[in-house]
Amino acid sequence: AQSVTQLGSHVSVSEGALVLLRCNYSSSVPPYLFWYVQYPNQGLQLLLKYTTGATLVKGINGFEAEFKKSETSFHLTKPSAHMSDAAEYFCAVSDSSGSARQLTFGSGTQLTVLP
Amino acid sequence: DTGVSQDPRHKITKRGQNVTFRCDPISEHNRLYWYRQTLGQGPEFLTYFQNEAQLEKSRLLSDRFSAERPKGSFSTLEIQRTEQGDSAMYLCASSSRRSGANVLTFGAGSRLTVL
Repeated sequence: AQSVTQLGSHVSVSEGALVLLRCNYSSSVPPYLFWYVQYPNQGLQLLLKYTTGATLVKGINGFEAEFKKSETSFHLTKPSAHMSDAAEYFCAVSDSSGSARQLTFGSGTQLTVLP
Repeated sequence: DTGVSQDPRHKITKRGQNVTFRCDPISEHNRLYWYRQTLGQGPEFLTYFQNEAQLEKSRLLSDRFSAERPKGSFSTLEIQRTEQGDSAMYLCASSSRRSGANVLTFGAGSRLTVL
């Protein structure tokens, strides 16, 4: 069984400040990890994913995430927030088969960017 | 390619009525997924098609729910005798082995409100 916990259902940052969205996972097998973003009235869009190899993963829009096996974490960061980053962010885990039907999502973190 | 299209975007119905949602995936994607998202939660897997074959169904998919993908292209999700607990966003996603089976492209969703 696998699960995802996103710490903080709402996060507010000032424009230009560091964005840090936290995700911890539980998986009995080596996981594949994902971050998706959902803008209002739109579908989820893949930001980045970790499968194997380099533990620091770069995604779109300046986001990156680091897989830390010892901490079972996959936190999402961006050095400088932009107003357009305001959205809901979902962390997800699948088993190492990578099958999307095994994808388990967290409950999401709503990011607000303050001017 | 216009992405994954879902119709209707919003549906309000009375309890006991039947509703049907349609999903048009990206044309070259042979895998299609239905997810349900309730307020404050991440998407939950409902069912999965590879071409026209429905390969997996979640326990969330009660016998009032039926999904089809008759020609391996578009899919429909029907809910019979709707209940207030069915109120949710119904998300469709597609993927292909070539683009990465675990990389989903989501539609904008169909929001169902059952009165």
